[in-house]
Amino acid sequence: NAGVTQTPKFQVLKTGQSMTLQCAQDMNHNSMYWYRQDPGMGLRLIYYSASEGTTDKGEVPNGYNVSRLNKREFSLRLESAAPSQTSVYFCASTLGAGSYNEQFFGPGTRLTVL
Amino acid sequence: GQQVMQIPQYQHVQEGEDFTTYCNSSTTLSNIQWYKQRPGGHPVFLIQLVKSGEVKKQKRLTFQFGEAKKNSSLHITATQTTDVGTYFCAGRGTNSGYALNFGKGTSLLVTP
Repeated sequence: NAGVTQTPKFQVLKTGQSMTLQCAQDMNHNSMYWYRQDPGMGLRLIYYSASEGTTDKGEVPNGYNVSRLNKREFSLRLESAAPSQTSVYFCASTLGAGSYNEQFFGPGTRLTVL
Repeated sequence: GQQVMQIPQYQHVQEGEDFTTYCNSSTTLSNIQWYKQRPGGHPVFLIQLVKSGEVKKQKRLTFQFGEAKKNSSLHITATQTTDVGTYFCAGRGTNSGYALNFGKGTSLLVTP
């Protein structure tokens, strides 16, 4: 099992460009999450999907959109990238909804917006 | 929203010394989880605490959940260079929404 995979691993964008970060899990998990990690800021939740067909905003959703394509895949889209979105993005999944579940993280996407 | 505060932000120890990081919340937590992130890596789950006053051990690591369920600590005895990384706590308030709130983490550096 690959666990949680993310593509791409690295990306450089110019201000105003758009892109989609891909995430997939092969653990048959129901819930998936997108976080961003900035130096000294810890992990901040952008969006999550408690189950297939549902998505909800997290702490920092502005400038992002998500799609839960199916049970395995959860994508994050930046419609018009800004330098403030330079960050490391982690996707995670849990077997069930709710905070009692262990989160499994992907390897991350390191995004730079110039 | 509910905040989970973590101290210290950084800690530099000599190999063999002990290390403790603390996690505090202004509201009662339903549960708390601890994660470790190695430099350049991704967070990896260590443990979950749910009960008031709970203490769990994993080899040289000891995790505690406060009696009031508002604080938690991670103590490492006799640190090794393999302990290097950032340790995060994550909790959910009993009256909060669905998701966990992560602390900002404590970065541990261990020199031989």
